[in-house]
Amino acid sequence: GENVEQHPSTLSVQEGDSAVIKCTYSDSASNYFPWYKQELGKRPQLIIDIRSNVGEKKDQRIAVTLNKTAKHFSLHITETQPEDSAVYFCAAPLGGSQGNLIFGKGTKLSVKP
Amino acid sequence: NAGVTQTPKFQVLKTGQSMTLQCAQDMNHEYMSWYRQDPGMGLRLIHYSVGAGITDQGEVPNGYNVSRSTTEDFPLRLLSAAPSQTSVYFCASSYSNSKHTASPLHFGNGTRLTVT
Repeated sequence: GENVEQHPSTLSVQEGDSAVIKCTYSDSASNYFPWYKQELGKRPQLIIDIRSNVGEKKDQRIAVTLNKTAKHFSLHITETQPEDSAVYFCAAPLGGSQGNLIFGKGTKLSVKP
Repeated sequence: NAGVTQTPKFQVLKTGQSMTLQCAQDMNHEYMSWYRQDPGMGLRLIHYSVGAGITDQGEVPNGYNVSRSTTEDFPLRLLSAAPSQTSVYFCASSYSNSKHTASPLHFGNGTRLTVT
């Protein structure tokens, strides 16, 4: 069936290093790819998104890249800080004409001071 | 705007009991949805609605009912609670869910449900 696969499931980096999380999706018609950050006990919140007519989008230390041919997109966080520690989810609209967002299983990012 | 409001924040049920999780949004969003979140499983879509009077099933609909009588409200009903329904439930809304003009989902703060 339609799905979104996310890797790695856990990621530990030193403060100041970069972090990269990758997702692949199965529906070639998908054209909207958001990333959500969820802190412990809180709701998921959108941090960046990209549409299929764009290959890369940046917002300060966060960037998302999209490869539609290979059906994968990635989140890049540079100069990581302890407050970046959270669970990150990717998502894509899958299945038929509806754009219901299907989420990856999440990546727990730990940034060590 | 309050955004997406969910009640209650916490609930404990016994197996076989029924209850309704409430969700309301004040952003005039047409699209609303319910997700459940379990450790290591991410967010899984239960039911969704593209407008008042229209609902449909998501990835994991069994054991849940929904209705959408108004644009603002989208309650989720558990007819006969089971321990497997212990989870955190998130309601979300967006302006559009069209595959070609999808817009960001806004999440409520969640309801933590325990079924014993």
